Amino acid sequence: QQQVKQSPQSLIVQKGGISIINCAYENTAFDYFPWYQQFPGKGPALLIAIRPDVSEKKEGRFTISFNKSAKQFSLHIMDSQPGDSATYFCAASAGAQKLVFGQGTRLTINP
Amino acid sequence: ETGVTQTPRHLVMGMTNKKSLKCEQHLGHNAMYWYKQSAKKPLELMFVYSLEERVENNSVPSRFSPECPNSSHLFLHLHTLQPEDSALYLCASSFQGMNTEAFFGQGTRLTVV
Repeated sequence: QQQVKQSPQSLIVQKGGISIINCAYENTAFDYFPWYQQFPGKGPALLIAIRPDVSEKKEGRFTISFNKSAKQFSLHIMDSQPGDSATYFCAASAGAQKLVFGQGTRLTINP
Repeated sequence: ETGVTQTPRHLVMGMTNKKSLKCEQHLGHNAMYWYKQSAKKPLELMFVYSLEERVENNSVPSRFSPECPNSSHLFLHLHTLQPEDSALYLCASSFQGMNTEAFFGQGTRLTVV
């Protein structure tokens, strides 16, 4: 129940396209859902996060969509650019508990 | 820079060696973490320290020994490792007790030969 399932494992998108990464969870106590971005040779860095009181959060080209009833959330990257090529991790936590990470998605944006 | 610094960045060690990984955070956080990141695997949480007390040990073999002498420093002591322990070891810090951002260091790429 502590797992967060992320898909796909890898994704190739053409420049200018929309990249979509999905995550699903079981623990209804989760109340914080961040996405992390990791470039090669770097540690993960927070990209955007959402709490379950809203269904969508947008920051620039990055949008989180949250479906509480389905226990799913997704990251959308609009107008994807080669510089967005990285590994993306979704995560979730409940209250003061530690973050639980998804398996990661390796995103490649072709020029 | 994220405010979390790990040293060394790369480490090659033999199976009989003893080495230590160091992590330092300048963010005033009160919780620190060690994660293991292997190819094609999710981030594996190894240890959690909150207010310098170890609060979680996720069934990590005893050849990995953490130490947290104060809230700004975290070490991972390594001895008699196996080749399958080769991975990227990431340190992170955050404020414990609330859902806030975890800040990661750049990691130590460990190769056991």
